[in-house]
Amino acid sequence: GAVVSQHPSWVICKSGTSVKIECRSLDFQATTMFWYRQFPKQSLMLMATSNEGSKATYEQGVEKDKFLINHASLTLSTLTVTSAHPEDSSFYICSAGGGSGNTIYFGEGSWLTVV
Amino acid sequence: GQSLEQPSEVTAVEGAIVQINCTYQTSGFYGLSWYQQHDGGAPTFLSYNALDGLEETGRFSSFLSRSDSYGYLLLQELQMKDSASYFCAVTRAAGNKLTFGGGTRVLVKP
Repeated sequence: GAVVSQHPSWVICKSGTSVKIECRSLDFQATTMFWYRQFPKQSLMLMATSNEGSKATYEQGVEKDKFLINHASLTLSTLTVTSAHPEDSSFYICSAGGGSGNTIYFGEGSWLTVV
Repeated sequence: GQSLEQPSEVTAVEGAIVQINCTYQTSGFYGLSWYQQHDGGAPTFLSYNALDGLEETGRFSSFLSRSDSYGYLLLQELQMKDSASYFCAVTRAAGNKLTFGGGTRVLVKP
């Protein structure tokens, strides 16, 4: 079964509104989670590193005030897309490492459509 | 900068063998991973190489040569369900942060 759960799977929102996406590690504690964005037929691009109990680390070119990340517990990170615009429509995926070995688990992903 | 190069598309028939190459240039290298992604779905982990050599997991194998900054994923006995995109990804530092290649779309035909 899934070890990283993401919610919601699909969301449609109006331009100018905000949307929150949750990422939960189910079987392990994750001090660090990662948020990626993927446009159709493109690769996954890392947006930011979510750090439990501290500020997220954003990749170059990602607006931290637009993509708010909160990692308030060891099992939950949230990504809030603020003042969403149609160009923010994309597939957002979180990941976390856990357990033994070097396996990184991805959430199921969240499709965001801004209309 | 960081770059991972892999072919954009490969077409093969059922039962065939496909090799997807990945060359990388990154600052820092912990290991090379491979992920499979079906349309509309999330990536699923296939394999990870931290050391040189071949890792075999069922029909899929992965190879790494650190000195050549090169790896490949080998798909054997191709099945229709293997039609998907395959991404190589480098772990550049401790903490599981991944840098992905552009992805290779594999189309399996009957």
